[in-house]
Amino acid sequence: ETGVTQTPRHLVMGMTNKKSLKCEQHLGHNAMYWYKQSAKKPLELMFVYSLEERVENNSVPSRFSPECPNSSHLFLHLHTLQPEDSALYLCASSQDHTGELFFGEGSRLTVL
Amino acid sequence: SQKIEQNSEALNIQEGKTATLTCNYTNYSPAYLQWYRQDPGRGPVFLLLIRENEKEKRKERLKVTFDTTLKQSLFHITASQPADSATYLCALGYSSASKIIFGSGTRLSIRP
Repeated sequence: ETGVTQTPRHLVMGMTNKKSLKCEQHLGHNAMYWYKQSAKKPLELMFVYSLEERVENNSVPSRFSPECPNSSHLFLHLHTLQPEDSALYLCASSQDHTGELFFGEGSRLTVL
Repeated sequence: SQKIEQNSEALNIQEGKTATLTCNYTNYSPAYLQWYRQDPGRGPVFLLLIRENEKEKRKERLKVTFDTTLKQSLFHITASQPADSATYLCALGYSSASKIIFGSGTRLSIRP
């Protein structure tokens, strides 16, 4: 069982659809993150949760809505996305924001 | 805002040689600096962390240096192997913030 698991691995959706990305960590960490990775661009931090409270919201459009029901699970709810939102969405966890990030394998999103 | 530059988008090295990747940053010195490896279609994997008061860190064939005067980190892979081919990401962390900022990466290719 890997440390950080993301589902689905691939998602194709239309601009009017509503979908969710799921992340689960089995490492006992207390912080979880959503990053967006587009081609030839640095990883962009989207949201940070610490002890289930959102501590960072990096000017992300409201069509992305995060949810952290407990310290092991993180969701990213998607609605009315744009084609430029197509990217690899990476979930990560860490202990106390002080060290290494453990990433999942990512969810490859394509918006038609 | 903080900017991170990784020396080149791509680097090609002959097997057995030492690969050297560069990470430069502007403005504020981070509390620590990390290096990650990312293979195509996979999430980044943590390699090394070096703190602002450390000059050098080693792990097997990997070596990282951190020069806060030059605002630069160098990442070395000695006795490089084709299996070392991947994209390497530099990331900066700040003790007062919950975010870790990534560079856009250097794609390293080791030819036999």
